[in-house]
Amino acid sequence: GAGVSQSPSNKVTEKGKDVELRCDPISGHTALYWYRQSLGQGLEFLIYFQGNSAPDKSGLPSDRFSAERTGGSVSTLTIQRTQQEDSAVYLCASSFPSNTEAFFGQGTRLTVV
Amino acid sequence: DAKTTQPPSMDCAEGRAANLPCNHSTISGNEYVYWYRQIHSQGPQYIIHGLKNNETNEMASLIITEDRKSSTLILPHATLRDTAVYYCIGPSSGSARQLTFGSGTQLTVLP
Repeated sequence: GAGVSQSPSNKVTEKGKDVELRCDPISGHTALYWYRQSLGQGLEFLIYFQGNSAPDKSGLPSDRFSAERTGGSVSTLTIQRTQQEDSAVYLCASSFPSNTEAFFGQGTRLTVV
Repeated sequence: DAKTTQPPSMDCAEGRAANLPCNHSTISGNEYVYWYRQIHSQGPQYIIHGLKNNETNEMASLIITEDRKSSTLILPHATLRDTAVYYCIGPSSGSARQLTFGSGTQLTVLP
């Protein structure tokens, strides 16, 4: 597709379960970002991938969160042992060299019950 | 990091120009100022960015002061669909250079 694609669009999971969120960036974009947005709040940076460089994980809130990017394209954000406070919209964005125009996906709404 | 300050909310009459201010007094000489907006329940959308010269595209104009300590995003003829949260952001100076979003300005375009 032409834009950043995220799946699933909605995910409801039970507390304590693991979840995987997927992001398909725009083809050729070397930079990929993950953010999360809690209800009524701003965007919180989670992790950043740029080409083959080591990712910047400085925004990950705990060791239950991890992300990988395979082959410089698709990225998966994994949350282990989910907690209710993990409930949020998780947004992915991609761009050419960092800090040019970034294109965001529509997000995955995660609800932990 | 280029920290930015924006008013929390603004109203604008439909068809009039919306002028959204942003202070970024700590911005460094080679840091761009970016503007994004987020319409309710959607992902953020890039609007425009600039370094020191005024910029214009099909969506908006960006006026940056000569000292680069502030800028104004101008939507020349606001429509109801322009109601959104507008973010003025500068990149992090850290290794990731991620876009750091603040709380933005909620612009409400009134009929």
